[in-house]
Amino acid sequence: TQLLEQSPQFLSIQEGENLTVYCNSSSVFSSLQWYRQEPGEGPVLLVTVVTGGEVKKLKRLTFQFGDARKDSSLHITAAQPGDTGLYLCAGGFTGTASKLTFGTGTRLQVTL
Amino acid sequence: NAGVTQTPKFRILKIGQSMTLQCAQDMNHNYMYWYRQDPGMGLKLIYYSVGAGITDKGEVPNGYNVSRSTTEDFPLRLELAAPSQTSVYFCASSWGGQIQTYEQYFGPGTRLTVT
Repeated sequence: TQLLEQSPQFLSIQEGENLTVYCNSSSVFSSLQWYRQEPGEGPVLLVTVVTGGEVKKLKRLTFQFGDARKDSSLHITAAQPGDTGLYLCAGGFTGTASKLTFGTGTRLQVTL
Repeated sequence: NAGVTQTPKFRILKIGQSMTLQCAQDMNHNYMYWYRQDPGMGLKLIYYSVGAGITDKGEVPNGYNVSRSTTEDFPLRLELAAPSQTSVYFCASSWGGQIQTYEQYFGPGTRLTVT
């Protein structure tokens, strides 16, 4: 069973601060994705990374896939209250019908 | 496009009752999935389907059944509901073409309580 560990589990910061969330595994992934989930809703895809060392930027969010494709990080610059939510990483493996293994999530709260 | 839709949004069941959670997608995706999410936890895969007529077990299939008679619909059946099945259930779909993108699109969820 592949496991994905996310850290920290909880993060409460003030508007304007920077933060980094980590996603680690002992397994090598074909691709890794980040989702954000708001209360009462389903997860929404933020980004997919597939190449070791790949960096993708989405406005104030920067995603990096580790060189060995076993880990990933999400960095948010100048956090805003709208960034509040549960951030989930998910890894996929070739030949598994696009099934994903989800991490346990990082719950982020950004206050004014 | 409506994307992935789920009904009902909320449901309370008594122990031993049965029900079907409905899921439909209008994106012509081949792959569909059912997850459960317990408080403070990530998502655990219950069942998945790679196309009409084909289903397979995920990580936590006990107590559930699925069918996939059409590309659009993927209902989840709970037989003999138990308190351990209290959870939020999410349906998702994925393109599932020759190049696997792994990108999944989720419905809004069904919150189920078994008492």
